[in-house]
Amino acid sequence: AQSVTQLDSHVSVSEGTPVLLRCNYSSSYSPSLFWYVQHPNKGLQLLLKYTSAATLVKGINGFEAEFKKSETSFHLTKPSAHMSDAAEYFCVVSGATGGGNKLTFGTGTQLKVEL
Amino acid sequence: DAGVIQSPRHEVTEMGQEVTLRCKPISGHNSLFWYRQTMMRGLELLIYFNNNVPIDDSGMPEDRFSAKMPNASFSTLKIQPSEPRDSAVYFCASSLSGINEQFFGPGTRLTVL
Repeated sequence: AQSVTQLDSHVSVSEGTPVLLRCNYSSSYSPSLFWYVQHPNKGLQLLLKYTSAATLVKGINGFEAEFKKSETSFHLTKPSAHMSDAAEYFCVVSGATGGGNKLTFGTGTQLKVEL
Repeated sequence: DAGVIQSPRHEVTEMGQEVTLRCKPISGHNSLFWYRQTMMRGLELLIYFNNNVPIDDSGMPEDRFSAKMPNASFSTLKIQPSEPRDSAVYFCASSLSGINEQFFGPGTRLTVL
């Protein structure tokens, strides 16, 4: 079985300050991990993915995430928040389940960026 | 590439009516997924197909829901009869089998009155 836990349902930051969105995972397999972003009334867009290569993964729009096996974590960070980053962010785990590449989504973290 | 295409983008219907949602996956992708998103339950996987064959439909809520994939470029999700609790945003996603990354469509916002 696999699961992800997003530790914060809401995060609020000021524009120009760092962003940290936390995610812990559980997986019986070597997991693939993703962060997706969903802007209001839009579909989900892939930010970045980890697939057992480099543990520090760089994504779009200045986001990055670090895979830490010892901590079973895959936190998402960005050095400086922009107003356009306000959205909902989903941490996602995928693993071989004998039936294809099913994704398991976290409950989401709503990021608010204030002036 | 046009990405995953879903239609309609918005659907408003009355309880008891049949609703059909449509999806065209990215050309060349052979896995297709249907999700439902609500405030209460978040994002739920309803069913997915591999090479047009349903692999796992354990997420389909009940017999009122059915999904088909008659060919590699088209899938439908049907609700008959629809109920107000079916109101949600329904997403279709596609991927290459063996590649974990999924590409999502813009979604269909369904409102059942």
